Amino acid sequence: QVQLVQSGAEVKKPGASVKISCKASGYSFTSFYIHWVRQAPGQGLEWMGIFNPGRGNATYAQKFKGRVAMTRDTSTTTVNLELSSLRYDDTAFYYCATGYFGSCYHWGQGTPVTVSS
Amino acid sequence: DIQMTQSPSSLSASVGDRVTITCQATQDIRNSVNWYQHKPGKAPKVLIYDASNLETGVPSRFSGTGSGSDFTFTISSLQPEDVATYYCQQYGDLVTFGGGTRVEIK
Repeated sequence: QVQLVQSGAEVKKPGASVKISCKASGYSFTSFYIHWVRQAPGQGLEWMGIFNPGRGNATYAQKFKGRVAMTRDTSTTTVNLELSSLRYDDTAFYYCATGYFGSCYHWGQGTPVTVSS
Repeated sequence: DIQMTQSPSSLSASVGDRVTITCQATQDIRNSVNWYQHKPGKAPKVLIYDASNLETGVPSRFSGTGSGSDFTFTISSLQPEDVATYYCQQYGDLVTFGGGTRVEIK
């Protein structure tokens, strides 16, 4: 079955960078997109961007341009999210999800990121 | 980016009530809207795709309508297991989620 397994919790200082991995299994890695979505405490879902594992390219939400990068490792069927210049309001659960360009059908378990001095 | 204004942000209704949630997009997105159900500790789940199509296995009390910039999600008869937060999501131009509607039982 489709499974997305994310890396573990992170605690970072303001200004630092964080890298989260999302390992996909149970389907053809290059056939579906990977979305990244975050949810801050008490807030709703926020879409960060989308990665095409087949082409290795990404499209980012305007809010995160210049601060986010999505990459892949096809040998391990893993997609990575790196967010730089972290601020306190980047504290959130970060999720990867796979599906078509417009839909998120299967989700990872989430990675909590805490930004604290 | 396209913004999705979802309302209400929360509601409380009785079992058996009809519940309606609306989403308005900042521009025409045709029928490019999905509706998700998100329960605490679980992954969000697609209930409605392409504005009005019921995802396989989803109870028929859930429905969606709309096109252009105005969309509506309805639960025809609220059940206890429907307690969750519901989100609209557009994909007419990249992807944006609405702010969410928390649904509770009165």
